[in-house]
This record gives sequence, C-alpha cells and structure tokens, in this order.
Amino acid sequence: GQQVQQSPTSLVLQEGENAELQCNFSTSLNSMQWFYQRPGGSLISVFYNPSGTKQSGRLTSTTVIKERRSSLHISSSQITDSGTYLCAMERGYNVLYFGSGTKLTVEP
Amino acid sequence: NSKVIQTPRYLVKGQGQKAKMRCIPEKGHPVVFWYQQNKNNEFKFLINFQNQEVLQQIDMTEKRFSAECPSNSPCSLEIQSSEAGDSALYLCASSGTGGSQNTLYFGAGTRLSVL
Repeated sequence: GQQVQQSPTSLVLQEGENAELQCNFSTSLNSMQWFYQRPGGSLISVFYNPSGTKQSGRLTSTTVIKERRSSLHISSSQITDSGTYLCAMERGYNVLYFGSGTKLTVEP
Repeated sequence: NSKVIQTPRYLVKGQGQKAKMRCIPEKGHPVVFWYQQNKNNEFKFLINFQNQEVLQQIDMTEKRFSAECPSNSPCSLEIQSSEAGDSALYLCASSGTGGSQNTLYFGAGTRLSVL
C-alpha cells in the first residue's frame, strides 16, 4: 500500500489565496523532503525538513516526525506557483518514497 | 538550481531493444540515485550508488537493468531488453552524505518510450 499519502490530490486557487498541502506517512521515517515539479520539468527540492518548521519566502514547511506528518503552506499564491508538489520520506540509505503529489493551479 | 545532467532527454526503443541513459551528478556529490516516474506520477526507486559501489537496488533492477557509476565517467542505467511497461521518465539524482547534505538534487530526466 501507499506509504506516503498526500492531500489534496489537486487544488485550484485564485491568485493571492493561501494553500495548505498535507503529507502523512504510514511508517516511521528518518526525514522527509518537499519537491516541486512543473509539467515536463525536473524535480526541484523545496525543503529538506527532518523535523520542525522551516520557512523560505512564502513557503513554510512543518514536519512532526513522531506524528508522521508534514505540511507545506504557501501564502499569497502566485500564478507561477502552479505545478505539482510532492513529498517524500526517507527511511534509510537516503532512499526516498514519494507521495502521488498535489497538483496546484493558481488562476488570475 | 540542480546541476545534475541527464542524457538523452528522449529515448525511443522497440520492445526487446537495449535502452541506455546517462547521468552526470553534481560535482562533489558521492551518492547517485535512479528513480522511475510512470505516467501516473508514481515514483519507484531503482538503485543507488556511493562512489562506485551499489548501496541498494530493487529486484527488477537486479534482473533486467545494469547500472554503473565509474569514476571520472558518467553514471549509466541500461535496460537490457526493453518492455512496454518500461516507458517512463527516468530520473537521476545526487546528494552529499549526512544531515542537510542528504538533500537530493534531480536531473531533468530521460523520457523513455518503448513501442
């Protein structure tokens, strides 16, 4: 079964709205990462977040390892934020197990 | 921005043909990974190396793929006999070792189509 559950599957926002993406893990993990991918584009690491809260500009990631969950908050969304956001957990050897992604569409 | 370079970007093969793709990891990154992303956005870990040694690989990789990461040469992943189900985006990633250096940096991928 899926070890990494992401929600929502897709999200449509108006520009300026905030987004909250969730990631839940069915097993224990060492660390996790959030990635961003445009259609046909490569994966870009957004956060390496073993635990706690990290912020970069309009993006904030909060990971609670003991509760096996992580969230990604995007504030004041922009059209250029559109794409797929993937979370992935690491359990050993730095091998990542990915969720299915949240497809974000930000409209004008 | 990632400096992992993958070639070719696109690869078209017939069933039963060999399919080979290459990856140059970021300079100074000793750990290299190969992942397969299918049309349903599902990622599958295939194999990883530290320097030239295999750390982990899945059964499928062991049986039908060959991969290597020689020193001073690009890493490569080769499917010995392509099957239709191998059509996917093959992503190479590299990382350092330890702590935040475990952040993976991905290349743009090689999209394989097996006809």
